[in-house]
Amino acid sequence: GQQVMQIPQYQHVQEGEDFTTYCNSSTTLSNIQWYKQRPGGHPVFLIQLVKSGEVKKQKRLTFQFGEAKKNSSLHITATQTTDVGTYFCAGYSGNTPLVFGKGTRLSVIA
Amino acid sequence: EPEVTQTPSHQVTQMGQEVILRCVPISNHLYFYWYRQILGQKVEFLVSFYNNEISEKSEIFDDQFSVERPDGSNFTLKIRSTKLEDSAMYFCASSQDRGSNQPQHFGDGTRLSIL
Repeated sequence: GQQVMQIPQYQHVQEGEDFTTYCNSSTTLSNIQWYKQRPGGHPVFLIQLVKSGEVKKQKRLTFQFGEAKKNSSLHITATQTTDVGTYFCAGYSGNTPLVFGKGTRLSVIA
Repeated sequence: EPEVTQTPSHQVTQMGQEVILRCVPISNHLYFYWYRQILGQKVEFLVSFYNNEISEKSEIFDDQFSVERPDGSNFTLKIRSTKLEDSAMYFCASSQDRGSNQPQHFGDGTRLSIL
């Protein structure tokens, strides 16, 4: 079945440093979604990418979808303590349910 | 902003007992989902529900699980005979429609602890 791999599993950064998490799918995706889960919280939808090579920005967050629609990345510029949490990518492939990656847990040291 | 609400927030149950987890999806949403997240791990799809029937289910969703929409607002997950490995956070989610362009809105979850 479809698998979505995400690296790194953990990332510790100093406040102000950049952060990137990468997502790879075993199959071509129709779209990819990104969610953020704060410690003790629930996943919150951040954004969706649909088109090959698409790049979207939300303030300090930049999301990319690969040309082959099998990989994606989330980059945070100048991290802040409010960025702490686990970032999940989740992909749709054909008619399958949304498949989540294992997530990248971001810690930001002030 | 409308929210998905889940009750209870924490359920402690003896192994072998039945549990019912409750969810109230966002009112104009048509697709409902249950996910499971074992502590520290990824979010795993269990089942989706549309038009009063199961739309898709995963391998995890075996015969001990069932879902129901008993009235116009509630959406429930029943685990018939709980096992220790059922201990996890269970999230309900809803979306306006199914489709690859629909964000899912998650509730706060029910933490299920099986003793």
